Amino acid sequence: SQQGEEDPQALSIQEGENATMNCSYKTSINNLQWYRQNSGRGLVHLILIRSNEREKHSGRLRVTLDTSKKSSSLLITASRAADTASYFCATAHNYGQNFVFGPGTRLSVLP
Amino acid sequence: GAVVSQHPSWVICKSGTSVKIECRSLDFQATTMFWYRQFPKQSLMLMATSNEGSKATYEQGVEKDKFLINHASLTLSTLTVTSAHPEDSSFYICSAREDRVSVHTIYFGEGSWLTVV
Repeated sequence: SQQGEEDPQALSIQEGENATMNCSYKTSINNLQWYRQNSGRGLVHLILIRSNEREKHSGRLRVTLDTSKKSSSLLITASRAADTASYFCATAHNYGQNFVFGPGTRLSVLP
Repeated sequence: GAVVSQHPSWVICKSGTSVKIECRSLDFQATTMFWYRQFPKQSLMLMATSNEGSKATYEQGVEKDKFLINHASLTLSTLTVTSAHPEDSSFYICSAREDRVSVHTIYFGEGSWLTVV
């Protein structure tokens, strides 16, 4: 069943600006992952954050996790037109089991 | 790194025919694979969990006789859409779980676009 909910569902920004996307979930998790999907393509894994972690960085990406609020955020700094894609958060209750995906945020970065 | 390959990437079939999609783990063994479906501008929904050597576990609302899953080897799972109809047109993605001692990692395939005309 669907658990993650991304917010906003669509986001349009100018190149160079930062983009922030949020994800909320309902039940306790083992880990949370963020994925990117370009139109008509498969999923690209961006970052995994475990339930005992609060923040992780990867290049221009910063992910935070607040288990008390059951929410996570993905920040893309200095956005580029190539960042235009849909971004999904996926939660896993038991490590290695199937993921539950949120509806995604469609990000458009305008040149 | 580990790679999961799906084939075909794109397929168009006539209504009433069946189409098979393959999901292969290229450099690791996967006792468990997962099949997802994604309709346009929607999220991925789990259809079924495929277990090597046993029957697949289907999610509620997914017809097991329509979406046949076979996981005959540790590196291959297939999804067959039988008697396809236009409403089955969708993006199908598989993922495979790499099992190591105390570590499980899931890798996704590139997905397969199915268009039923």
